[in-house]
Amino acid sequence: DAKTTQPTSMDCAEGRAANLPCNHSTISGNEYVYWYRQIHSQGPQYIIHGLKNNETNEMASLIITEDRKSSTLILPHATLRDTAVYYCIVRVPGNTPLVFGKGTRLSVIA
Amino acid sequence: SAVISQKPSRDICQRGTSLTIQCQVDSQVTMMFWYRQQPGQSLTLIATANQGSEATYESGFVIDKFPISRPNLTFSTLTVSNMSPEDSSIYLCSVGASGETSYNEQFFGPGTRLTVL
Repeated sequence: DAKTTQPTSMDCAEGRAANLPCNHSTISGNEYVYWYRQIHSQGPQYIIHGLKNNETNEMASLIITEDRKSSTLILPHATLRDTAVYYCIVRVPGNTPLVFGKGTRLSVIA
Repeated sequence: SAVISQKPSRDICQRGTSLTIQCQVDSQVTMMFWYRQQPGQSLTLIATANQGSEATYESGFVIDKFPISRPNLTFSTLTVSNMSPEDSSIYLCSVGASGETSYNEQFFGPGTRLTVL
């Protein structure tokens, strides 16, 4: 079973920051937080991951609370192409498969 | 990164028949995974396919219904047997990254969209 809770859907205006929350209150000490997204009719795509520090890459920023029980994925300037389902996943790194929850359907509106 | 292709990209099949989906990776990978995504739903793991050993199936999935082959480190097949309309889904192949980023990413193929009439 997925260990995360995410809102079912969110809207964001084009050009604004999209902040997608995720609750993972039962996360264990060796589990990382991963974010993937699935654009319509495509396979999921890796976005970012983190353990306890905030992370940033060319796609997004990941903010993890100090107690690690929740996190927020930030798309700083959302575009229409960011419309997708975003999945927050907690897992121990390694070659174990991802377990997907229901995710958040983000709609970026012009 | 790994580039994954799947064949066919889509198919429409009659109930009671079987379809074999092929997954080809452009590099050698240890672990391959098969997922199912039913209409409007999230991804569900069917099985893990390791080269040279039997696939490991998740609860609710059995080898007789979803036989898997993994003949080498770049290829795998998933067969959907004795299909019914409930098998209408997107089937996705996935691989774990290798090398220094092995703990980071899992790559996914484009999926095979199956419709069973």
